Amino acid sequence: KNQVEQSPQSLIILEGKNCTLQCNYTVSPFSNLRWYKQDTGRGPVSLTIMTFSENTKSNGRYTATLDADTKQSSLHITASQLSDSASYICVVNGGSNDYKLSFGAGTTVTVRA
Amino acid sequence: DAGVIQSPRHEVTEMGQEVTLRCKPISGHDYLFWYRQTMMRGLELLIYFNNNVPIDDSGMPEDRFSAKMPNASFSTLKIQPSEPRDSAVYFCASRVKGQGRTGELFFGEGSRLTVL
Repeated sequence: KNQVEQSPQSLIILEGKNCTLQCNYTVSPFSNLRWYKQDTGRGPVSLTIMTFSENTKSNGRYTATLDADTKQSSLHITASQLSDSASYICVVNGGSNDYKLSFGAGTTVTVRA
Repeated sequence: DAGVIQSPRHEVTEMGQEVTLRCKPISGHDYLFWYRQTMMRGLELLIYFNNNVPIDDSGMPEDRFSAKMPNASFSTLKIQPSEPRDSAVYFCASRVKGQGRTGELFFGEGSRLTVL
């Protein structure tokens, strides 16, 4: 069973609207969690990192939250743009080995004009 | 900086042929990772190197896969012989030295392999 579950699998939103993506993990111990954005045909690019002590962090129109107690994270996209159409991947670092990352399957976001 | 450079971007080959994928990491990065991405399984770690030394190859699916890193600026992933189930996008990623567990992975654009 995957230790990182993302929902929804995909979503479609209208340009200018907001949306929230969810990431639930069971990885333990926990070190940090990153959200990556992957445009079609490109490699993933990091949007933000959340460490154990952080609850919320923003990167432009992207805001990530972390609840380490419930092992949940969310990525909120505000005032979506066509360029936000991409796959968003949640990646958890378990901390036992610094290379050992657990990847979610991703949420595919489609923004329509 | 040019980022992580992978070649070829696309490869179409026939079953049984040898395939070699290439990667140039970002200068100064001391970790290099090879990942495979499919719709069914998402991103999977195949192997990673630290300072050119292979550290963990437990993700390599079978003996048909091999990887080398002869120097700090070049790595190859070879599949011999290739099979249709090897069709996927293969990503190379590198990580800057000294960031420990919080270090960000910088991915290349990927090599899309199709084995007929």
